[in-house]
Amino acid sequence: KAGVTQTPRYLIKTRGQQVTLSCSPISGHRSVSWYQQTPGQGLQFLFEYFSETQRNKGNFPGRFSGRQFSNSRSEMNVSTLELGDSALYLCASSPGQFYSGANVLTFGAGSRLTVL
Amino acid sequence: GEDVEQSLFLSVREGDSSVINCTYTDSSSTYLYWYKQEPGAGLQLLTYIFSNMDMKQDQRLTVLLNKKDKHLSLRIADTQTGDSAIYFCAEKDFNKFYFGSGTKLNVKP
Repeated sequence: KAGVTQTPRYLIKTRGQQVTLSCSPISGHRSVSWYQQTPGQGLQFLFEYFSETQRNKGNFPGRFSGRQFSNSRSEMNVSTLELGDSALYLCASSPGQFYSGANVLTFGAGSRLTVL
Repeated sequence: GEDVEQSLFLSVREGDSSVINCTYTDSSSTYLYWYKQEPGAGLQLLTYIFSNMDMKQDQRLTVLLNKKDKHLSLRIADTQTGDSAIYFCAEKDFNKFYFGSGTKLNVKP
């Protein structure tokens, strides 16, 4: 069973540019969550999508957006990049059903974004 | 939001036991998790415990849950250099997950 795949693994952008990151969940998983990981802030929740709808949202500015497609693949977009957006962006998938027990998150390897 | 706290660093000698601690604030958490992150990688699930359990053992890993004090711990027996990583605890409330800031475990040979 293939794991969670994130692309690209590494990318470098300059301030003001925009970036799109992609996440392919485990087959059959309908929920995709995105997290930003930085040394100073730890793991910060961005948003979660389930069946193409944003179900939960963290406290990030509107420059951060996402979407989910009918095949459960998800993309996140960051517009007008700032230096502080440099981070490891992690995607996690889960079956996603409410009251489905542990509903374990399975993480991808992440996309490391560097903003210059 | 919910608050999950961990100490930032732990250093142990190879062969010793490691105990990583975590406190959380949400009394309605249903499941609590431990994840491991090695350099350059995503988070890997180690184990999880249902909130009505006190203890769970899985090979070298022992999870203890004190629900009254909202305290979770992960004990790694016979710690090896390959256990050096960042360990995250997390809680699930309904369908939201809250992660601690991670404890960096350094294992000295």
